Amino acid sequence: DGGITQSPKYLFRKEGQNVTLSCEQNLNHDAMYWYRQDPGQGLRLIYYSQIVNDFQKGDIAEGYSVSREKKESFPLTVTSAQKNPTAFYLCASSTTSIGEQFFGPGTRLTVL
Amino acid sequence: GESVGLHLPTLSVQEGDNSIINCAYSNSASDYFIWYKQESGKGPQFIIDIRSNMDKRQGQRVTVLLNKTVKHLSLQIAATQPGDSAVYFCAENMGGGSQGNLIFGKGTKLSVKP
Repeated sequence: DGGITQSPKYLFRKEGQNVTLSCEQNLNHDAMYWYRQDPGQGLRLIYYSQIVNDFQKGDIAEGYSVSREKKESFPLTVTSAQKNPTAFYLCASSTTSIGEQFFGPGTRLTVL
Repeated sequence: GESVGLHLPTLSVQEGDNSIINCAYSNSASDYFIWYKQESGKGPQFIIDIRSNMDKRQGQRVTVLLNKTVKHLSLQIAATQPGDSAVYFCAENMGGGSQGNLIFGKGTKLSVKP
């Protein structure tokens, strides 16, 4: 089955610790995205990557880092510099042309 | 800055009635629009899309209307069912080489009463 997966579904971390969220897709999409969603809010873009070994900051990149070493994978690290990391994180992928983005199931991160 | 927004943050309808969810966008350069459905605790799911060279597109029980004159987008759901209860987001691609980057509205919560 083709799709986009995120793991884990729930993640708890202590304040001050870095944490890495996984995102994998087997849709052969070139572009991948990370969004943050807070309760009652829309999606805000953190980082995006249109091709392997290249990525750009989105609207709220501060306190986050990414890598794109493989086409299939786009992990997001939430660093201790992120002031309010508790949120629902969504990964998406798309072809590079204009079109829909396919979303993963999300990871809910809670920082204690 | 320019953004996508929604007229109604919540909408409650009776099962079997038609639902209309509205969205206003402010970027006249946007050339592609999508509606997503998000159920609680899950990722958004694609419902329907429309390009700026169209003013109407129909899917299964859903219709999207685009009015470029007033920069307005709507999603119509026919014969609304309990399973349609979710938050609905509109999103726009701002064109100009943004290559797939989408700007999302805050969403409208649709509640279907049995």
